[in-house]
Amino acid sequence: KQEVTQIPAALSVPEGENLVLNCSFTDSAIYNLQWFRQDPGKGLTSLLLIQSSQREQTSGRLNASLDKSSGRSTLYIAASQPGDSATYLCAVTLRADTGRRALTFGSGTRLQVQP
Amino acid sequence: EPEVTQTPSHQVTQMGQEVILRCVPISNHLYFYWYRQILGQKVEFLVSFYNNEISEKSEIFDDQFSVERPDGSNFTLKIRSTKLEDSAMYFCASSEVQGSYPYEQYFGPGTRLTVT
Repeated sequence: KQEVTQIPAALSVPEGENLVLNCSFTDSAIYNLQWFRQDPGKGLTSLLLIQSSQREQTSGRLNASLDKSSGRSTLYIAASQPGDSATYLCAVTLRADTGRRALTFGSGTRLQVQP
Repeated sequence: EPEVTQTPSHQVTQMGQEVILRCVPISNHLYFYWYRQILGQKVEFLVSFYNNEISEKSEIFDDQFSVERPDGSNFTLKIRSTKLEDSAMYFCASSEVQGSYPYEQYFGPGTRLTVT
């Protein structure tokens, strides 16, 4: 059974710092990995999707990397801003030949960026 | 930009009652999903729906739950005889298809269900 773990559970940084959020998964037979942002009491906003054949994806100040063989992904946020404060979730889907289509989520990293 | 919409945003119901949660997926998407998040816990998969049938379901999705695509735009989750432990945020999601495999999933804002 796929398990997704995110470290740290919470992180507080001063504005302007670069930071790294970590995600690990137990079954490397993934199809893709998505990073989401969740604001308190709100829905999930997709930030980046990395296919299993890719090593990284970038969107603005965000860069996500994937090392499928070691079961790890990182989300790098450059020059953090108070508006980045949210919970960041990592989720994976398994390979098509597993018959699974569902996303398996981690518990998230709660980020607070201090002005 | 197209988005997934959900109604209502908050539903309060008494234990034992039936509720229907509604979703309008993104119009050109073919895969639809329901997930839930109990307060303070992980987001959990309930069910996926493709080509007018359930594609996959979790062990949570028992006979108490059902899904339907009643028309070309809506996707619903019905919970029969609600229990206190059904209280959660319910998220609908949809995705395009690559070949026959779903691609990036887009989530709606959620319906907060409170069972009293």
